[in-house]
Amino acid sequence: ILNVEQSPQSLHVQEGDSTNFTCSFPSSNFYALHWYRWETAKSPEALFVMTLNGDEKKKGRISATLNTKEGYSYLYIKGSQPEDSATYLCAFSPQNFVFGPGTRLSVLP
Amino acid sequence: EAGVTQFPSHSVIEKGQTVTLRCDPISGHDNLYWYRRVMGKEIKFLLHFVKESKQDESGMPNNRFLAERTGGTYSTLKVQPAELEDSGVYFCASSSDILGTQYFGPGTRLLVL
Repeated sequence: ILNVEQSPQSLHVQEGDSTNFTCSFPSSNFYALHWYRWETAKSPEALFVMTLNGDEKKKGRISATLNTKEGYSYLYIKGSQPEDSATYLCAFSPQNFVFGPGTRLSVLP
Repeated sequence: EAGVTQFPSHSVIEKGQTVTLRCDPISGHDNLYWYRRVMGKEIKFLLHFVKESKQDESGMPNNRFLAERTGGTYSTLKVQPAELEDSGVYFCASSSDILGTQYFGPGTRLLVL
């Protein structure tokens, strides 16, 4: 059974703070790692697809890194804003997606 | 370009009844996925279509669930008969490539009473 873990489970930061969280996944049979941003009552929104060890992706204030050998990915948010408040999901893809439980981020104004 | 759409947005049914959920993927996307999120738990994979063929249905919980994608366009997921534990949010997603970005629909919130 494939297990994808995310930490922390939840996080509260002040507006302007930078933050990061972790996605851990099995290091064998790796195909891709996806990050999604999920706001309550909406559908998950794709942020990044990462396929190569050492990959770094950036989208505005959000960036992600990937280490497939040790089985982890970090998501960073620089200068958090209240609109960044959401649950951040990672999904590991050996074949089909295995989602982690998410990190719930709250950015306080 | 229209995104993934799902219908209905909400459904409340009684145990033993039948419900059919529909997903319209992004036009041209051959890959269509169904997922389910039971309250408080992770999003779980149900099955994957490539065009009209079932590529992987290993996540389907039991034979009360039937998914179809006739013609390789929209897909339906039928639950018959529904049980209490089937309550949750059913998401559909589509992608152009098997390992590419999956675009999610808004989900159907199913409540079985």
